[in-house]
Amino acid sequence: GAVVSQHPSWVICKSGTSVKIECRSLDFQATTMFWYRQFPKQSLMLMATSNEGSKATYEQGVEKDKFLINHASLTLSTLTVTSAHPEDSSFYICSARDTRAQPQHFGDGTRLSIL
Amino acid sequence: DAKTTQPNSMESNEEEPVHLPCNHSTISGTDYIHWYRQLPSQGPEYVIHGLTSNVNNRMASLAIAEDRKSSTLILHRATLRDAAVYYCILRDVGGGADGLTFGKGTHLIIQP
Repeated sequence: GAVVSQHPSWVICKSGTSVKIECRSLDFQATTMFWYRQFPKQSLMLMATSNEGSKATYEQGVEKDKFLINHASLTLSTLTVTSAHPEDSSFYICSARDTRAQPQHFGDGTRLSIL
Repeated sequence: DAKTTQPNSMESNEEEPVHLPCNHSTISGTDYIHWYRQLPSQGPEYVIHGLTSNVNNRMASLAIAEDRKSSTLILHRATLRDAAVYYCILRDVGGGADGLTFGKGTHLIIQP
């Protein structure tokens, strides 16, 4: 149980393109979803937290107009990287949990490469 | 967030037990101790968590010190597939920020 599916697994696109990443909880209701970013040889860094039906809360230094997060249902959250540039190239990972007492379960990540 | 300290790397042999330590001397009463692991090019995988008592599941055991200032993740019989970065993370379920703060973790190397 507690499976989180993330799509796509990898994407390569040109600079200036917008890219959407989907995160789905397959067998539980994801009251809260999280988006992380991981650069090579570094640890995961939390970007934002979203609760179903509410606006996302962004961490300091993360541009909310660049990284648009939608969490419209209890099983789906999307992250859209708008007007992506090479410095946005990274490994983006989502996680989800039901109640606060439950652990977070992670997707397999999306490797984003901006040319 | 209360901070954790882990060794940068550890090495073990296949089919032997592995004990991964974690220090968290500033842990608060509402902090749960969580362990995740991350294989190369994958998202982290939940391993185990606990508050005060030792915990066992199909993946591992978690031994928590009586004063809760340290804990040990125990893999009873390591396999090559257990080679990963292991993260010890404190989560406050009492309120406040809910996202996980990942440190550098312990890079576990398993020798065949």
